[in-house]
Amino acid sequence: GAGVSQSPRYKVTKRGQDVALRCDPISGHVSLYWYRQALGQGPEFLTYFNYEAQQDKSGLPNDRFSAERPEGSISTLTIQRTEQRDSAMYRCASSPAGTSYEQYFGPGTRLTVT
Amino acid sequence: GNSVTQMEGPVTLSEEAFLTINCTYTATGYPSLFWYVQYPGEGLQLLLKATKADDKGSNKGFEATYRKETTSFHLEKGSVQVSDSAVYFCALSERAGGTSYGKLTFGQGTILTVHP
Repeated sequence: GAGVSQSPRYKVTKRGQDVALRCDPISGHVSLYWYRQALGQGPEFLTYFNYEAQQDKSGLPNDRFSAERPEGSISTLTIQRTEQRDSAMYRCASSPAGTSYEQYFGPGTRLTVT
Repeated sequence: GNSVTQMEGPVTLSEEAFLTINCTYTATGYPSLFWYVQYPGEGLQLLLKATKADDKGSNKGFEATYRKETTSFHLEKGSVQVSDSAVYFCALSERAGGTSYGKLTFGQGTILTVHP
């Protein structure tokens, strides 16, 4: 079956522009996670949804970052007024309901802010 | 807070050599532990996991044992192949009050290169 997909795969934007990154989880997966990964580092948690409810946004670095999952499926991570320090790989993962801890990751979106 | 520390890389081995990648963790509760692998040009994939102390996770010839006394989850493989070349991430997920909660805390990753 189809895995987690993310779009765009690559995004180059100018400083000050807004960007929207999309994640399409595996069909039926309840939980959806966003991570950010700097070069040479492990992914860092940003935020997490169960269905459409945002359960934890403690990892969002500041109020320029927001995420939504309005229908409990596709999610969008939005970064307003981008800065060069926002350049990173943004990864989405989903997992099924219940006590499963396994997260299935998408290919990521490489964001470059110039 | 939670943290994961992996051995520094990169690690370079010859085919059929023995592999160990060290991983230690800090957590306040009862974490589950994972190894994820990222092959060149691909996303992260779960390699193996262990959900309680003394559990051994295994997959594709890789093994790791959850050692609560040493807060470690070292990855081992007896005979590596060129196709094992990848970046390996140790991670933990901590339950809160018995509720499943999948937020992952990752180590910094270890690059493994295997030469023929």
